[in-house]
Amino acid sequence: EPEVTQTPSHQVTQMGQEVILRCVPISNHLYFYWYRQILGQKVEFLVSFYNNEISEKSEIFDDQFSVERPDGSNFTLKIRSTKLEDSAMYFCASSDGTNNEQFFGPGTRLTVL
Amino acid sequence: EDQVTQSPEALRLQEGESSSLNCSYTVSGLRGLFWYRQDPGKGPEFLFTLYSAGEEKEKERLKATLTKKESFLHITAPKPEDSATYLCAVQDPGTGFQKLVFGTGTRLLVSP
Repeated sequence: EPEVTQTPSHQVTQMGQEVILRCVPISNHLYFYWYRQILGQKVEFLVSFYNNEISEKSEIFDDQFSVERPDGSNFTLKIRSTKLEDSAMYFCASSDGTNNEQFFGPGTRLTVL
Repeated sequence: EDQVTQSPEALRLQEGESSSLNCSYTVSGLRGLFWYRQDPGKGPEFLFTLYSAGEEKEKERLKATLTKKESFLHITAPKPEDSATYLCAVQDPGTGFQKLVFGTGTRLLVSP
C-alpha cells in the first residue's frame, strides 16, 4: 500500500541552525502539507502546497519557514534559524485532492537545543 | 474559539467493553469530518471521512457517525490493540478547503 515517507526520523540541532526535513508523498497525489505537533498538544497545520506553490499557510509559518518540491518526488520543509520552540514532531501529508483525505507520514522529531 | 472539541480526554476500557468517543465541532458549512488514529510517536493514520449528517462509516470494530453538531466514534468489543489516541479533524471552510483543524484527541486504553 502506498505511503508517505519522511526523513530523518529524528533531528537534533542547535538553536540558530538551519534544518531541512524531507518527505516523499504518495506518488499520484497532487496536494502536499506540513503539520506539526508539540509534545502533548494538538496537531497544527503549517502549510499546504499545490502546483508548485503555497496555497495556504498558517500564522506559525513565518519567514523562517519555507517549502520546496525540488524534484518529482520530494517535498521539503526548511527552517532557516531554529528556535527552542520549534522542537516538535513534524508531519508531512499528501492528498489526491478529490476529497481532501490526507495521508500522513511517520513524522520527524525535531529537537532544538 | 476552539472549532473541534473531543471528549473524554482519556478513556480506559476493559477488553470487550464497548463505548463511544465524542467530537463536537462549531464550523458552519462543514466540508468534511475526519477521524484518525495516532499511536505514540507515530503519524496520524486515516480512518474515516464523513460529509453529511446521518452518514455512517464502519471499519472492523469502529463505527463513525455524524450529526449537524457532532460525530461519534463507536468502539464495539474493543481489543488491547485498539489502544491509541483517536483524533477528530474538520476542514476549515473559513480559510480554505485544504486545512485540517484537529481536536486534542481521546487517549484510549483497552486492558486485557
